[in-house]
Amino acid sequence: EVQLLESGGGLVQPGGSLRLSCAASGFTFSSYAMSWVRQAPGKGLEWVSGISGGDGGTYYADSVRGRFTISRDNSKSTLYMQMSSLRAEDTAVYYCAKDRAPSSSGSYKDWGQGTLVTVSS
Amino acid sequence: DIQMTQSPSSLSASVGDRVTITCRASQSISNYLNWYQQKPGQAPKLLIYAASSLQSGVPSRFSGSGSGTDFTLTISSLQPEDFATYYCQQSYITPFTFGGGTKVEIK
Repeated sequence: EVQLLESGGGLVQPGGSLRLSCAASGFTFSSYAMSWVRQAPGKGLEWVSGISGGDGGTYYADSVRGRFTISRDNSKSTLYMQMSSLRAEDTAVYYCAKDRAPSSSGSYKDWGQGTLVTVSS
Repeated sequence: DIQMTQSPSSLSASVGDRVTITCRASQSISNYLNWYQQKPGQAPKLLIYAASSLQSGVPSRFSGSGSGTDFTLTISSLQPEDFATYYCQQSYITPFTFGGGTKVEIK
C-alpha cells in the first residue's frame, strides 16, 4: 500500500523559512516523479513544484520559483520542499503527490494527508 | 502558463441526474487532461487521466471526453457520495495547472 506522510508544516513569520518533508513507502520511490500541490484555505488546488524520478529534473510554478526548492533523497524515500522568503499568500495545506505510473507525468493517483503552513506575524 | 477554465463554478443537482462539467485550456494540450474529485477535509482523488481513461476503482458512471482545448467530465447518474468539488488539471507542460473547480451540491 502506498503511503505518503507529510511533515514540517507550522506557523512561520513573513520572510521566514520552513522545510517540508514527505516520507514515502509502499513503492519504488526512485522510479516515480513526485510533486507538491497546495490549497489555500477555502480555495482551489495549485500545482507548486515537481521533480523527476530519474534525472531529478525540477520544475516550479512562477509563484514560488526562486523561493522554494524541491529535492528528493531516494535512499530515504523522502521528498522535500525548502521554502524561504515566505509570504502570507503561501498559507495553505501542502500535499505531496505521486505520479500515477513510472512513465506518466503530472497525473496523481496517490496523495498525502497534507500539512498546513501558516505565514503570519 | 496554460490557463484552465472550468464551468460552471457550481451547480445544484439531484440524485440520479446526469451532470456535465466542462474544462477549457488556453492552448492545445492534446489529451493531457486529468479530473479529480475532492471532498471537504480530504486529499483529491484521481478519477480520469489522459482525458478519457478511468482510473482503476472509480465507478463507471464517471466518464471523460475531449482533446485539444475542450474537455468534459460526465457523471451519468449522480449518487449521494458524488457531492464534492471537481477539478481539471493539464499535464501537458509544467506548471501543471488546475482549473478553478466545480462544486456539485445537492438540490
